[in-house]
Amino acid sequence: GQQLNQSPQSMFIQEGEDVSMNCTSSSIFNTWLWYKQDPGEGPVLLIALYKAGELTSNGRLTAQFGITRKDSFLNISASIPSDVGIYFCAGPSTQGGSEKLVFGKGTKLTVNP
Amino acid sequence: DVKVTQSSRYLVKRTGEKVFLECVQDMDHENMFWYRQDPGLGLRLIYFSYDVKMKEKGDIPEGYSVSREKKERFSLILESASTNQTSMYLCASSPPRDGSNQPQHFGDGTRLSIL
Repeated sequence: GQQLNQSPQSMFIQEGEDVSMNCTSSSIFNTWLWYKQDPGEGPVLLIALYKAGELTSNGRLTAQFGITRKDSFLNISASIPSDVGIYFCAGPSTQGGSEKLVFGKGTKLTVNP
Repeated sequence: DVKVTQSSRYLVKRTGEKVFLECVQDMDHENMFWYRQDPGLGLRLIYFSYDVKMKEKGDIPEGYSVSREKKERFSLILESASTNQTSMYLCASSPPRDGSNQPQHFGDGTRLSIL
């Protein structure tokens, strides 16, 4: 079935550093979603990408929809302690024409003050 | 803003009990989902529903059932709770795809412990 591979699995950075994480698949996706999950909370949508090559920003966050439609990148600039959490990529499942999403396993970010 | 509300943030139950987890959304979404989240395994889909009284199995439906009697409410039922069902449970909702891929919106989760 479809799978999304996220890397890295975890990151430990200093406050102020820039962060880059990515999500790849062997299948083509026509939408890429990036969620953030704060500790003990549910995932919250950060950015949605709908077009190959699209580059979208949300404050210090920037995400890109890869031109091959098989990957996506999320960058965080000038990290701060509240960026701590798990970042998930997701895309719509094409199995059975359902409404399901396929999720990556997440990148756990730790920011040291 | 979409609001997905899960009835409990933390729940402790005993082995063999019948457990109900409730989820309500306020955006008139057709689709609702139940996931469990475990360290290293990511989000795994248990069941989903695309309309009232409709349900479909996800990837790990064993030991669970669901109920959707009203559009805004989707209940997850553990028929006879077991310790391996200790987990974080997340509910989500989304509008129908209708040609564009709509994101799912999540509740805050229920951390369930089965003793």
